[in-house]
Amino acid sequence: EDQVTQSPEALRLQEGESSSLNCSYTVSGLRGLFWYRQDPGKGPEFLFTLYSAGEEKEKERLKATLTKKESFLHITAPKPEDSATYLCAVQVTYYGQNFVFGPGTRLSVLP
Amino acid sequence: DAGVTQSPTHLIKTRGQQVTLRCSPKSGHDTVSWYQQALGQGPQFIFQYYEEEERQRGNFPDRFSGHQFPNYSSELNVNALLLGDSALYLCASSLPGLSDRETQYFGPGTRLLVL
Repeated sequence: EDQVTQSPEALRLQEGESSSLNCSYTVSGLRGLFWYRQDPGKGPEFLFTLYSAGEEKEKERLKATLTKKESFLHITAPKPEDSATYLCAVQVTYYGQNFVFGPGTRLSVLP
Repeated sequence: DAGVTQSPTHLIKTRGQQVTLRCSPKSGHDTVSWYQQALGQGPQFIFQYYEEEERQRGNFPDRFSGHQFPNYSSELNVNALLLGDSALYLCASSLPGLSDRETQYFGPGTRLLVL
């Protein structure tokens, strides 16, 4: 069965304190891995797509990396406005375009 | 360029009732997927519509049904509502064609509360 797990479940950082979020997956065939940011009560906002091991993408203070079994979302010098839930999703071979989501990591950045 | 829109934003129903949620995809997108997100969990795939037909379906009962219109907008219908159907319902759209690597863009969701 395809599974996506994320750790930690919740993370509290001080402003400027860098850290990483983990997304581990066990799938039969990976087509792509996606990172989304979700604010409370709102829809997920697209951040990155990664397709192959070794690939990296960057956007402002965020950097996403991909290996054969996991992805990391690195947050450098975070600010309070980076507080949100970060969701990881995988597109699997037999599932067409559709995503299997992880449970998310709730990030709080304190001023 | 308008993104994905959903209506209504909030809805309160009682057990046994039926509900219809609506979604308009991002301009230029023709594929619409629906997800259910319970509080504190990641979204779960319900089904996907392409060319007015259900193309893929997740592990949801037949009480959940949908429709796609010629203008690519979509509806999600849920019959015989249960308390457990209370959730945020998300619509996502993606680019044309059958590409298997298209990013899905999400709407703001409809918050459904079943009493």
